Amino acid sequence: GNSVTQMEGPVTLSEEAFLTINCTYTATGYPSLFWYVQYPGEGLQLLLKATKADDKGSNKGFEATYRKETTSFHLEKGSVQVSDSAVYFCALTNNNAGNMLTFGGGTRLMVKP
Amino acid sequence: EPEVTQTPSHQVTQMGQEVILRCVPISNHLYFYWYRQILGQKVEFLVSFYNNEISEKSEIFDDQFSVERPDGSNFTLKIRSTKLEDSAMYFCASSFSGVDTGELFFGEGSRLTVL
Repeated sequence: GNSVTQMEGPVTLSEEAFLTINCTYTATGYPSLFWYVQYPGEGLQLLLKATKADDKGSNKGFEATYRKETTSFHLEKGSVQVSDSAVYFCALTNNNAGNMLTFGGGTRLMVKP
Repeated sequence: EPEVTQTPSHQVTQMGQEVILRCVPISNHLYFYWYRQILGQKVEFLVSFYNNEISEKSEIFDDQFSVERPDGSNFTLKIRSTKLEDSAMYFCASSFSGVDTGELFFGEGSRLTVL
């Protein structure tokens, strides 16, 4: 079946530091990959997505590249801000999953001023 | 900006009681979902709903669970006889065009505590 593995948090960084949150997946076929973010007190929001190999999703300074050869979709940001403090979820879906998203466990990011 | 709203934000109930969690999806969306997250664990898919019927459900979604869209605006999750292991945060989500091509919009969640 499908599965997503993320690095465990919390990840604590100083403002303007470089961020990487690792995500690897197991899936049959050609999944679509997503990063969702959950800010304190809010629901999950789509941050970015990539639907085929070598695609790069980007939004709000965050980027992730769909690497089929390493089955990875690592999230990166060059310079984090305090306002980026949130929980980040990697997720996938594929044709075998119908209308279902499979999530990773989430990684809490804490950015200190 | 349109949003998915969920009520209640927190419910405490006794084991064996029935619970109904309510959601108001975004008005022009066609696909509706329930997910849950047990504390410290992954967000898990429960069920998807399209065209007034269940389109997918997970193994978690057993006979104790049911969903309904009673009036064209609300989308409810009912747990008929709660168990301790049902304690979790339940997220409702909706989308216009399905999970693969479109974005899911999530509510803030309803925390259920079963004593």
